[in-house]
Amino acid sequence: EAQVTQNPRYLITVTGKKLTVTCSQNMNHEYMSWYRQDPGLGLRQIYYSMNVEVTDKGDVPEGYKVSRKEKRNFPLILESPSPNQTSLYFCASSLAGVTSGTQYFGPGTRLTVL
Amino acid sequence: GQQLNQSPQSMFIQEGEDVSMNCTSSSIFNTWLWYKQEPGEGPVLLIALYKAGELTSNGRLTAQFGITRKDSFLNISASIPSDVGIYFCAGGYYGQNFVFGPGTRLSVLP
Repeated sequence: EAQVTQNPRYLITVTGKKLTVTCSQNMNHEYMSWYRQDPGLGLRQIYYSMNVEVTDKGDVPEGYKVSRKEKRNFPLILESPSPNQTSLYFCASSLAGVTSGTQYFGPGTRLTVL
Repeated sequence: GQQLNQSPQSMFIQEGEDVSMNCTSSSIFNTWLWYKQEPGEGPVLLIALYKAGELTSNGRLTAQFGITRKDSFLNISASIPSDVGIYFCAGGYYGQNFVFGPGTRLSVLP
């Protein structure tokens, strides 16, 4: 089954404790992206990757890192989480990314930073 | 970053009624997407539009790419309880990433 998976689905942590949210897709998609979703603000892009070893900042990259060492995986790293990073995070992938491919979203990771 | 406006923010309708919502931008796009998100799930693509003036249907859903390229519309006919969710529009332009609207929350009363 074609899908985007994220782990963990729920995470409660404390300020400053490094964490990683994993994202994996089995569709051989080139383009992958991370979004955060906050009430009233919709989905805002954090980082995206056009292909292996190619990553770039989205609209709200501060406080986040990503890596793309393999085509299927695109982890999101919070080196020193802060309470304002409490949010619902979605990973997405598409075949060709910008405007030519429709994105498939993962189920989401709900992060709470105390 | 660029923002899209969606209207209405939320709506409560009776089962069987038709629904209309729209999405507007200050910039032009060459692609419009409409997604639906149900509680606890990620957004799921409903309709993709690639040409100004295009009208595309998916079952009871119909979406249109505005001729100004700065807006798009989504209609749902004969609503049913499973239509409940948040509907997002997203606009994309050559060489740029998609921008998402804040969503329209739809509630369907039996």
